[in-house]
Amino acid sequence: QKEVEQDPGPLSVPEGAIVSLNCTYSNSAFQYFMWYRQYSRKGPELLMYTYSSGNKEDGRFTAQVDKSSKYISLFIRDSQPSDSATYLCAMKRTAGGSYIPTFGRGTSLIVHP
Amino acid sequence: EAGVAQSPRYKIIEKRQSVAFWCNPISGHATLYWYQQILGQGPKLLIQFQNNGVVDDSQLPKDRFSAERLKGVDSTLKIQPAKLEDSAVYLCASNPSGTDTQYFGPGTRLTVL
Repeated sequence: QKEVEQDPGPLSVPEGAIVSLNCTYSNSAFQYFMWYRQYSRKGPELLMYTYSSGNKEDGRFTAQVDKSSKYISLFIRDSQPSDSATYLCAMKRTAGGSYIPTFGRGTSLIVHP
Repeated sequence: EAGVAQSPRYKIIEKRQSVAFWCNPISGHATLYWYQQILGQGPKLLIQFQNNGVVDDSQLPKDRFSAERLKGVDSTLKIQPAKLEDSAVYLCASNPSGTDTQYFGPGTRLTVL
């Protein structure tokens, strides 16, 4: 079993839909949770960063963390064709005073007009 | 502010050859990461540097991969000899001290024939 599980999709939705992306994890040592967006042939870029269980909102994006269930989500409201990309969840655990990241495999999102 | 620079952008080699990648992080960023991203998968951390010291290299195949970060600035990642399964995008990322926001470079796409 991988430490971080993420459905690769693709997830296809119409413009304006609410998108829900999810990851589960097995390592209780993960303390920090992130969502990255990666366009084709580009490096990932950070969208959201959370630490505690609960919700964090930034514009059209809401990140949700449930540590008791080891489950994190990213919601995108009013999705746009420009949101079409791969969304990667990532988590960090501490080791020797530093933070070691682990990424999910990414979910491919397609928003069609 | 200039981003993370990587070169070359593309490289094609035959198996058993050697190859080297170069990364110049954002100025002042103490932490530098090398990731391997195989098509359809998320980035896998190969090695993490804090200044010029190694924080984590547990997933670096040390029989063929090596990395160094001289003077705590630029870094090189080398593969010798390359195998077919090394075909991937090699991403470099950096973040400044006191934050966890990683900035990724565009990556080097390696094809091993």
